[in-house]
This record gives sequence, C-alpha cells and structure tokens, in this order.
Amino acid sequence: GIQVEQSPPDLILQEGANSTLRCNFSDSVNNLQWFHQNPWGQLINLFYIPSGTKQNGRLSATTVATERYSLLYISSSQTTDSGVYFCAPFAGTGTASKLTFGTGTRLQVTL
Amino acid sequence: DVKVTQSSRYLVKRTGEKVFLECVQDMDHENMFWYRQDPGLGLRLIYFSYDVKMKEKGDIPEGYSVSREKKERFSLILESASTNQTSMYLCASSSRLAGGRGTQYFGPGTRLTVL
Repeated sequence: GIQVEQSPPDLILQEGANSTLRCNFSDSVNNLQWFHQNPWGQLINLFYIPSGTKQNGRLSATTVATERYSLLYISSSQTTDSGVYFCAPFAGTGTASKLTFGTGTRLQVTL
Repeated sequence: DVKVTQSSRYLVKRTGEKVFLECVQDMDHENMFWYRQDPGLGLRLIYFSYDVKMKEKGDIPEGYSVSREKKERFSLILESASTNQTSMYLCASSSRLAGGRGTQYFGPGTRLTVL
C-alpha cells in the first residue's frame, strides 16, 4: 500500500513564528486531507486538497500530486496551534478508496 | 456542521469482556469508518462501511467486528477484549459524493483501556 512520510516529526516554535510541514507519499493519489489533532484528541479538518494551493486564515496548503508531496504552512503561530498535524492521502478507486495516515508532526508553540 | 458522536470518551474493560463502541453521525453520510490510533503508528483503518448492512475490512480487522443496521450508526465490537486492544478509537463519516473520496469528519474518540 501507499507509504506516507511526514517531516519533521517534532517541532517547537515560539509564538509568532512561521513553519512548513511536509508530507511525502509513495504513490499516485486521488486526493489528500490535512488534519489537526488538538490536545484533547479531536481531529479537525484543515484542508481537502488534491492539487494546487488553498488558504484558510493563517494556514495554507499546497499539493503537488505529480511530485507526490504536500506542504502545510502555518504563519504567525499561536499557542492554540499546538497539537499533532496529520497528512492523509486517498488512494485506490471506488469503494476501495481510503485514507492512509502519516505518523504526524507534533507541534508545540510556546510563549 | 457535521456532527459525529461517540458513545464514551473513556472506557475501562477487563480482558475477555465483550465491548461495544458506538458511533452516530447526523449528516446522512453513506460512508462510515473505524480507526485506532497508537503512539508512533498514526491512525490505522479497522473496518469501514459504504451502506447499511455493508462492511469491508480495513488494514487491521483481526479481533474486531462491526455492525451497521441504520445509516447513521456504526458500531465496533470487540468480541473478547485483549490488552493489545488498549488504544484510542476514532470514528469518521463521509459522503459518497466524489466517488468515496469525500472529506472525512471525525468524532471525539474513545480511549479504551483493557486491563
């Protein structure tokens, strides 16, 4: 099956700093989601992005499907951005299509 | 807003007990999923369902079964709980639009401990 690699595995930022999280995947994908898991365990959708760039406030994501990677940008980080960020590409077709999760990037934003 | 709810946030069971984890979604989604999350392993798919009474195995179905009698409800069953099933369990749902590749929405999770 598809392999998903996220980097860096851990990241500590001071509030206000910017960061880029990377997701590499081993095979062609139909689509991709980015999630933020907050300290209470809730997974929150950030982006649904098969290709191109999307922006939502201080966050933006870019997927280059032909080169098999996606990037998540966090600008002017805040303590509420702390948690784990997961990339999950879709692979397969029809009812066999499913998300495969990377192991995540754990972000800690400090004052 | 899509709402996915899970029956318990925390659950403690004994080895050998039968365990039911319930998930309910309120957006009329066709697709529902059960994952488990373990440190260092990310989320792994246990079972999924694309319709009522329909189920398909995910990547790690051993030791689990599921039931989907109604569209909005998807249950995960541990027939005889074991300590290696101690984990965080997450339920998700999505619309059948986009060929099964629609945005997945997750519940808050159930942290199960098997003693």
